[in-house]
Amino acid sequence: NAGVMQNPRHLVRRRGQEARLRCSPMKGHSHVYWYRQLPEEGLKFMVYLQKENIIDESGMPKERFSAEFPKEGPSILRIQQVVRGDSAAYFCASSPGGGYNSPLHFGNGTRLTVT
Amino acid sequence: QKEVEQNSGPLSVPEGAIASLNCTYSDRGSQSFFWYRQYSGKSPELIMSIYSNGDKEDGRFTAQLNKASQYVSLLIRDSQPSDSATYLCAVNRGGANNLFFGTGTRLTVIP
Repeated sequence: NAGVMQNPRHLVRRRGQEARLRCSPMKGHSHVYWYRQLPEEGLKFMVYLQKENIIDESGMPKERFSAEFPKEGPSILRIQQVVRGDSAAYFCASSPGGGYNSPLHFGNGTRLTVT
Repeated sequence: QKEVEQNSGPLSVPEGAIASLNCTYSDRGSQSFFWYRQYSGKSPELIMSIYSNGDKEDGRFTAQLNKASQYVSLLIRDSQPSDSATYLCAVNRGGANNLFFGTGTRLTVIP
C-alpha cells in the first residue's frame, strides 16, 4: 500500500517563476493537508482539502499561493512569482477522514529552493 | 502564546536510558494528541496517538496525557541510537481541521 506520494522531491526556481508541488494521498484517503516547514521551525498548517473542495485555507498566504484537489489526479499546491522567503520544505499529509481523531500520514516532502 | 510548546533541546541520553519529552498546549478544548518522529531531511512519522487522560503504551514508547495541566509527554524506554531524531508534538483542537505542531525536541542517544 503506497504511502503519500509527493513530487518533485527537490525543486529549484528563480525568483518570479512559478512552483507546482504535487501530492497523491494514500489509497483510501480523501483528505489532504499541506504544511510548510522552515529550518529549525515546526510544521505550519497551510490548507486542508477534500476532493474538489477547499475546507480550510486559514494558513495560506493571501497572495501568490493556491491549492486544489481535483476529482481526478493529485492535489496541487501552486506558488506564483516565488520569492526567496518561499524556500522551505512543503509536506503533504492525508487521512481517511476529517475530524479530531484522524492522524495524518505525511509524504516525503518537496524541498523548494528559490534562487 | 504558542499553540503548542516544546523544549527544543537538544536532549542527550545514554543508550539504554529513558528519554522524556514534554509538550504543553494552550487550548483547553484540544481533543487529540500525537507524537511524530522526524529524522533529519525526512518526513514526520506518526509514532503515538492519545485521546484520553492517562498513559498509553506501545512497545518502548509511552504517551502520557494530563488535560487538566495541559501537557502531554512521551517516554522512550531503553533508548537506542536509532531513536536519535526530532520529536514533534501535535495537537488537534476541538473544532479545528488541522494539527498544530510544536517546533520539536531534538533527541540524541549516545552509544
